Amino acid sequence: GDSVTQMEGPVTLSEEAFLTINCTYTATGYPSLFWYVQYPGEGLQLLLKATKADDKGSNKGFEATYRKETTSFHLEKGSVQVSDSAVYFCALTNQNTGNQFYFGTGTSLTVIP
Amino acid sequence: SQTIHQWPATLVQPVGSPLSLECTVEGTSNPNLYWYRQAAGRGLQLLFYSVGIGQISSEVPQNLSASRPQDRQFILSSKKLLLSDSGFYLCAWKEGLAIDTQYFGPGTRLTVL
Repeated sequence: GDSVTQMEGPVTLSEEAFLTINCTYTATGYPSLFWYVQYPGEGLQLLLKATKADDKGSNKGFEATYRKETTSFHLEKGSVQVSDSAVYFCALTNQNTGNQFYFGTGTSLTVIP
Repeated sequence: SQTIHQWPATLVQPVGSPLSLECTVEGTSNPNLYWYRQAAGRGLQLLFYSVGIGQISSEVPQNLSASRPQDRQFILSSKKLLLSDSGFYLCAWKEGLAIDTQYFGPGTRLTVL
């Protein structure tokens, strides 16, 4: 079945450091891929998404490129801020399972000043 | 624009007591609705989803049940809470059968003592 595997956390970075959170997926067909962010005590918010191969999703300085050849959707940011401290979830859905999303286990990021 | 509400925001209940959590969506029709549970420090577990009024699919056997009495209302219930029911409960919605983003509510923090 479909699944998402993302990098184990927690991740601790200094402010202005480069961030990469790895995400790989297993899916039939052509899934859509998502990154969600969860701030402490809140629900999940959509951060970015990509719906076909080679698409790049971007938002708030975060980027992720849909790589079908490596079945990956790694999240990157060039310079993190303290306010980026949160839990990040990679997710997928596709037309074969159009009513369900598959989430990774989440990666906790802490950015220290 | 669409909004999703959950209440209560926090709840402390004794073991063996009943539970009712409510989720409502505004600004859309016939959404797909989802209930997730997030245990402390863990990922998301899909509990139930619904594609229409009275239509409920259960993903895991458990002490919980769900109902959808109206198009944009989704209720999570239990007759007798267990300690293991503690967690953060998230409701989400997305447009019908389209491969599209899931949008999450603010969540309910449930503590069973």
